[in-house]
Amino acid sequence: EPEVTQTPSHQVTQMGQEVILRCVPISNHLYFYWYRQILGQKVEFLVSFYNNEISEKSEIFDDQFSVERPDGSNFTLKIRSTKLEDSAMYFCASSELGLAGPSNEQFFGPGTRLTVL
Amino acid sequence: RKEVEQDPGPFNVPEGATVAFNCTYSNSASQSFFWYRQDCRKEPKLLMSVYSSGNEDGRFTAQLNRASQYISLLIRDSKLSDSATYLCVVTHSGYSTLTFGKGTMLLVSP
Repeated sequence: EPEVTQTPSHQVTQMGQEVILRCVPISNHLYFYWYRQILGQKVEFLVSFYNNEISEKSEIFDDQFSVERPDGSNFTLKIRSTKLEDSAMYFCASSELGLAGPSNEQFFGPGTRLTVL
Repeated sequence: RKEVEQDPGPFNVPEGATVAFNCTYSNSASQSFFWYRQDCRKEPKLLMSVYSSGNEDGRFTAQLNRASQYISLLIRDSKLSDSATYLCVVTHSGYSTLTFGKGTMLLVSP
């Protein structure tokens, strides 16, 4: 069964450093998402991406964040200068084309646990 | 006001019990509704979509009341493997992004 994969599973970094979180969505999916979940908190939407551009972003997704689809398979989230409060689990998700836009079902990757020291 | 609110839990039930989860959402423009399941330190996984007419999948029954902006999930004959956090999730009209509740933890004991 196809699945979303994410690397690394755990990333430890120093405050102020740049990190890149990587995702490989399901191959025939066209819509890509990043969510985060701070320990003990709810899952929060960061950004959605379609047709090589951001289609929606939340207020969390400020200038420190960027996304990219550098090739036909990878989807990355970059945090330029990490802060302590960026420590969280970051989930990538993808969905296929539905009848009129993205399908309702999003498939989540296993997540990358980011720890900022 | 929180967009999606759920019972804080945890719910501790014995095997075989019936358990109900409640959820309310604040945005009347919410369009699609789901229950996701999240195991400890794992990713959310879709359990079932929720339709206005109500829907059932085996031991799981979901209900939606748009007038009250209320969603429910009923689990019958609980199994040990049902132990997880149950997330109420909505999307808003015109957007595909998911808005999550904080989740309700279920612990099923032998």
